[in-house]
Amino acid sequence: GQSLEQPSEVTAVEGAIVQINCTYQTSGFYGLSWYQQHDGGAPTFLSYNGLDGLEETGRFSSFLSRSDSYGYLLLQELQMKDSASYFCAEGSPGAGSYQLTFGKGTKLSVIP
Amino acid sequence: DAGVTQSPTHLIKTRGQQVTLRCSPKSGHDTVSWYQQALGQGPQFIFQYYEEEERQRGNFPDRFSGHQFPNYSSELNVNALLLGDSALYLCASSLGLVVEQYFGPGTRLTVT
Repeated sequence: GQSLEQPSEVTAVEGAIVQINCTYQTSGFYGLSWYQQHDGGAPTFLSYNGLDGLEETGRFSSFLSRSDSYGYLLLQELQMKDSASYFCAEGSPGAGSYQLTFGKGTKLSVIP
Repeated sequence: DAGVTQSPTHLIKTRGQQVTLRCSPKSGHDTVSWYQQALGQGPQFIFQYYEEEERQRGNFPDRFSGHQFPNYSSELNVNALLLGDSALYLCASSLGLVVEQYFGPGTRLTVT
């Protein structure tokens, strides 16, 4: 089965950098995705790491290390609008399907 | 470009009743997945539909069933509702079986 662990809450100051970690224990790991969800909103896709290393998309970067079963999401130049829950998710391709398994999420609070 | 739409937005049902939730995928998408999100938790995969067939199913009982129509829209049916079925039900669509999924705003189901 799949299990993803991430901190439940993180607080950071506007303009700063914050890192949200995700460790996983899965059988047949394929890759790690990150989703953002504002309160009352829909999850939105941020990034995906299929290979080890860093992926950068604007202010957001995501990193994966398969040998350490570990990944993180890095948010730079934090803005108040970044206050949201962030989920790591592992994708499991099956026979003609693709299932996402999510962690419990990290609630990020950005303070002035 | 219409995103993923879901109806209704909110629903209150009594224990033992049956409910049907509806989802229209993002324009051009052909794959629909359903997730259940309890308060403070990450989304949990229910099942995925592609080419009008259920392709993969998560750890949910047979009370949860679904359907995909030729226009790629989908329904989620839950029979014999339990109090524990109270949650946000999210629909996600994609073009094929890929990593990036687009989520709808969800249907908030309350079972009393």
